[in-house]
Parts: sequence; C-alpha cells; structure tokens
Amino acid sequence: GQNIDQPTEMTATEGAIVQINCTYQTSGFNGLFWYQQHAGEAPTFLSYNVLDGLEEKGRFSSFLSRSKGYSYLLLKELQMKDSASYLCAVRGGANAGNNRKLIWGLGTSLAVNP
Amino acid sequence: NAGVTQTPKFRVLKTGQSMTLLCAQDMNHEYMYWYRQDPGMGLRLIHYSVGEGTTAKGEVPDGYNVSRLKKQNFLLGLESAAPSQTSVYFCASRDLDRNDEQYFGPGTRLTVT
Repeated sequence: GQNIDQPTEMTATEGAIVQINCTYQTSGFNGLFWYQQHAGEAPTFLSYNVLDGLEEKGRFSSFLSRSKGYSYLLLKELQMKDSASYLCAVRGGANAGNNRKLIWGLGTSLAVNP
Repeated sequence: NAGVTQTPKFRVLKTGQSMTLLCAQDMNHEYMYWYRQDPGMGLRLIHYSVGEGTTAKGEVPDGYNVSRLKKQNFLLGLESAAPSQTSVYFCASRDLDRNDEQYFGPGTRLTVT
C-alpha cells in the first residue's frame, strides 16, 4: 500500500529551529511536496524535492533521501505566524495514474510559543 | 488574475438535498482536483480531471459526481446529501508542464443536517 507518515503535533519556541519529518512508502516516486495550511485557510505550496539533497528557500529548507523514503522540512528563526499545519505529499509513479495526483500525509500541527 | 475560486463559500443543506459546487481557474491549467478535508483525516481526493471533458475517480468518490465541460471549470455535485458529507471542500488546479505545484481555492464549508 501507499503511506505517508508525519508527526501529528509539534511545539517550538519563537526564534528557534524546528524539523518536521516525513516518511513515505509509495508505488513509484516523482517528487515530494510540502504545503503550509493555516487554520481555516487553504494549503499553500512551500517546497518541492525530486532529487536527493537540500533545497533552501529563505527561512524554510526541505531535504529528501529517496533511498530512505524520508524528507524533512526545516523552519529557522521561527515566528508566531509559522503556527500552522504542515502537509507532506508525494507524487507516485505512472502506474494507475499515480503520477497525476498527490498522496497526502495527515499533516503536522506546529504551535509556536512566545 | 483571480487564481482558483470556489462558489459558494458556505452552505447548509438538509439530508437528501442536492447541490453543485463550482470551481473556476483562470490560469489555463489542465489538471483540476476536488478534495475534502475532515479533522484527523487529512486531504482526501474525491475526483480529478486531466483535461476538458475528462474525469477520474479519487479515493472517496461515492456520493459525488463531477463534470469538466469547460477547461476553466470543474463542478462537484452532491445528488442526495448525507450528514457524512459535512466537510470542507477544496478545489485545486495545476499546470501540466510545471513541477506539480497545486494551487488551491479558498474552500467551501458544507454542513449537512
């Protein structure tokens, strides 16, 4: 089967660094995505990884290891506005059209405390 | 550029009533998706479309129908609403040629009593 696992909840302090992990088991792999979703709002795109390594974008970085089926999202210099749910999603292989849609994790709810 | 818009934003239905949710995108995207999001369940794909005139089932299609008569519009229909369909519904679209970033609409909050 296909599965994405990420922690349900995390807390961190303003100004600190937090790492949100995501592990996946999918039929084929064509990229991993991180989205941010504030309460009551729609998800918004944060990052995309298809090759192994670290992608940095401002305060946010995302890492991928395809051999380990593992990714993490790193948030630096945390701000109160970073309190949100962070969704990990994988695009699968071409079998059964899995490359046309995303498989979503349940999301990690991050609370940033002052 | 409005992006992805959804109509309506809120709706309350009685069991057995029908309704249609409209999703429109002005980005000329080929792919469009309908999701539902429930507490503890994450985003679940209802139906999707890979182009005008085509639709395909996602993981939770029962009780819903869709149509993609025009490229920019993707309609989600509930023929006979049930309380289990109380949810937040999100529409999304993406460009065929880009690295799969999905753009989401603001969502429709539907309550079925």
